[in-house]
Amino acid sequence: EAAVTQSPRSKVAVTGGKVTLSCHQTNNHDYMYWYRQDTGHGLRLIHYSYVADSTEKGDIPDGYKASRPSQENFSLILELASLSQTAVYFCASSDQGNSGNTLYFGEGSRLIVV
Amino acid sequence: GQQVQQSPASLVLQEGENAELQCNFSSTATRLQWFYQHPGGRLVSLFYNPSGTKHTGRLTSTTVTNERRSSLHISSSQTTDSGTYFCAIASYGNEKITFGAGTKLTIKP
Repeated sequence: EAAVTQSPRSKVAVTGGKVTLSCHQTNNHDYMYWYRQDTGHGLRLIHYSYVADSTEKGDIPDGYKASRPSQENFSLILELASLSQTAVYFCASSDQGNSGNTLYFGEGSRLIVV
Repeated sequence: GQQVQQSPASLVLQEGENAELQCNFSSTATRLQWFYQHPGGRLVSLFYNPSGTKHTGRLTSTTVTNERRSSLHISSSQTTDSGTYFCAIASYGNEKITFGAGTKLTIKP
């Protein structure tokens, strides 16, 4: 089974500070995604990537940057963290965007901005 | 953009009862998946099912593509089925995978 690991698993950040969430996958998947989940809600897509050195905006990209330096690694960057960015962040990977393979999720990174 | 609506938002059943979860989507989905989220937060894929019916154990997923709907049926529910179930879709030519808001299922002993 595909392995997707996220770090850190939990973080407390101060408002205005910089936060980097990292994601690493070991199955050579082309596609990687960052989602956020707010308490009691579904997942919303922030950024995704289908090839190294390229990223695409999802549905809620404002306030976030993404970086895909290699096929295995995909980072989410909050340059100026805000209270509204308190959430659980999930990284996922899959083989192909449209034609079928399942998403594999990491265990999530809980971010609290104070 | 593509939209996904799940119903009911929450469902409480007694152990042994059957559960029926619904997913409706706004555009033709070339890729539809059902996920289960453990109470602790981990998400696991249950079905990849863009059309037709699939079974695994006590779970059955049925997707009617031209009616833009999918269902997840859980038979003889168990307390360990408690958690949140999500439907997610992607459409042709769109790599974005959009999730519904989920159905929170609680199975009482």
